[in-house]
Amino acid sequence: GQNIDQPTEMTATEGAIVQINCTYQTSGFNGLFWYQQHAGEAPTFLSYNVLDGLEEKGRFSSFLSRSKGYSYLLLKELQMKDSASYLCAVKDSNYQLIWGAGTKLIIKP
Amino acid sequence: IAGITQAPTSQILAAGRRMTLRCTQDMRHNAMYWYRQDLGLGLRLIHYSNTAGTTGKGEVPDGYSVSRANTDDFPLTLASAVPSQTSVYFCASSDSGDGGELFFGEGSRLTVL
Repeated sequence: GQNIDQPTEMTATEGAIVQINCTYQTSGFNGLFWYQQHAGEAPTFLSYNVLDGLEEKGRFSSFLSRSKGYSYLLLKELQMKDSASYLCAVKDSNYQLIWGAGTKLIIKP
Repeated sequence: IAGITQAPTSQILAAGRRMTLRCTQDMRHNAMYWYRQDLGLGLRLIHYSNTAGTTGKGEVPDGYSVSRANTDDFPLTLASAVPSQTSVYFCASSDSGDGGELFFGEGSRLTVL
């Protein structure tokens, strides 16, 4: 079966750095997405990786290793507004998105 | 502001009743999707449409139907609601049918009693 694994919850301190991991086992691979979802709101797009390596976008970076079935989202200079759930999703061989359950990130002052 | 509008935002429904969740987008996106989100689970695809006039089944289609009469509208119908359909429903769209960046509506919280 297809599976996306991410930690259920993480806690970090304002101003610090946090890394959220995502491992996947899917039938084929056509890209990996990260979305941010604040409580009670819709998911919003953060990043897309289809080739191995690091994609940097401001305070957020996303890394992909296809051979290891692994990605991480790196958040720097954490702010209170970064408290949210972070969803990892993989596009499989049929171009369907397979979603992880999300990682709830709690930021403490 | 361009985007996706869902209605209603919240609804309590008696089991056995019929319910249609509405979704309208003004971005002229070809592809549209309906997901449900339940605590502890990833988003699960119910139905999708790659272009007006076509629809397809997702991971959890049973008990749901959709139509895509035009580019902008993609309603989701529960013919006879059951308590297991209590969930938050998200409509989404993307520019292409091969799963590009998704734009989500604000969600419809449905409770079936």
